[in-house]
Amino acid sequence: GAGVSQSPSNKVTEKGKDVELRCDPISGHTALYWYRQRLGQGLEFLIYFQGNSAPDKSGLPSDRFSAERTGESVSTLTIQRTQQEDSAVYLCASSLGQDLGNTEAFFGQGTRLTVV
Amino acid sequence: GEDVEQSLFLSVREGDSSVINCTYTDSSSTYLYWYKQEPGAGLQLLTYIFSNMDMKQDQRLTVLLNKKDKHLSLRIADTQTGDSAIYFCAELNSGGYQKVTFGTGTKLQVIP
Repeated sequence: GAGVSQSPSNKVTEKGKDVELRCDPISGHTALYWYRQRLGQGLEFLIYFQGNSAPDKSGLPSDRFSAERTGESVSTLTIQRTQQEDSAVYLCASSLGQDLGNTEAFFGQGTRLTVV
Repeated sequence: GEDVEQSLFLSVREGDSSVINCTYTDSSSTYLYWYKQEPGAGLQLLTYIFSNMDMKQDQRLTVLLNKKDKHLSLRIADTQTGDSAIYFCAELNSGGYQKVTFGTGTKLQVIP
């Protein structure tokens, strides 16, 4: 597609329920990133994919968080047993990720998750 | 590993210059970036500099890179209220696989 697409754009869920967030990167981008941004705060790194593998998942805050990527394309971030502190905007970004010099990261508009 | 640090907040008066600073740890960084996030909007690339350059100027923006100290700065001349945003520093490393690492962002508040 033309840009990074995330869905849903907004999600309200009850505490304790599981949620799945989806990211469609730009076609051909091998690198994919997930970040979390709490209200009025900066970016918190969650996980990085190169192709379908995740060489860096150091930012996942707990074992309730998991992510996968298939076909070197779509990625899903799953949060199990959601807690109120999980409320944030979840941002996905993709970049070429190859050794082609400058590789700009393109961001989606994010999924705003509210846990009530 | 990679680490990118920024101060969280900067407040300047309209018309003054703003200087946003960033430090990074990865000596193999090849490109360094500044991204801008306006209120309620996504992150957009503002400018970038290649690691063998010391300075890059683009209209009101000046990027300075001190590779020895691993220090990057973004200067905005004649700061306007429309410059109010969160500014993210990022680095691209090329060790093994290419990965962009972002700082946590500096919130710039421009006072009229």
